Amino acid sequence: AQTVTQSQPEMSVQEAETVTLSCTYDTSESDYYLFWYKQPPSRQMILVIRQEAYKQQNATENRFSVNFQKAAKSFSLKISDSQLGDAAMYFCAVFSGGYNKLIFGAGTRLAVHP
Amino acid sequence: DTEVTQTPKHLVMGMTNKKSLKCEQHMGHRAMYWYKQKAKKPPELMFVYSYEKLSINESVPSRFSPECPNSSLLNLHLHALQPEDSALYLCASSQDLYRMNTEAFFGQGTRLTVV
Repeated sequence: AQTVTQSQPEMSVQEAETVTLSCTYDTSESDYYLFWYKQPPSRQMILVIRQEAYKQQNATENRFSVNFQKAAKSFSLKISDSQLGDAAMYFCAVFSGGYNKLIFGAGTRLAVHP
Repeated sequence: DTEVTQTPKHLVMGMTNKKSLKCEQHMGHRAMYWYKQKAKKPPELMFVYSYEKLSINESVPSRFSPECPNSSLLNLHLHALQPEDSALYLCASSQDLYRMNTEAFFGQGTRLTVV
């Protein structure tokens, strides 16, 4: 089975500051992919960043970066220079070919304060 | 066009009604998905279609009936729903089922209320 755990139901950050959202996962697959999705009040799930498990280098997309620790099965998301538009629900997810499904964590609600 | 379009955006239906949710994409994706999302919860997978054939059914009650009439369209037919079926229904697509590693595109969802 695959599971994803996000231990922080809510987080808050001041505008322009940095925040890190935590995610741990469990999978028996050797080849899998990890994702962070953002769901703003508009409800649409938007891909923030993606990491292939076989790549040791941490993925980066502009202000968003991940800290991928494969042995610890940890996949945290760092948001630098936080903006008001970053306020949303953030979901960590894992996908593997063995299960052919995207499994989401419970989500972390991020508030950004001016 | 990198959009997944879902209609309607909101739907209120009685427990004896029959209604359908529609999802459309024109990205040439061959895998399409239905997810159910309750308030403050993550999306839960319901169905997966791969090359217009049902690939995964997550033991969803028969009052939900999916249909994939062509590679661009995915429908979810609803009949005799219960109030606990009220939720946000999300459609998604990806290049194909085995390449979820590329990107899954999600629609804005249909907010369904069963009264």
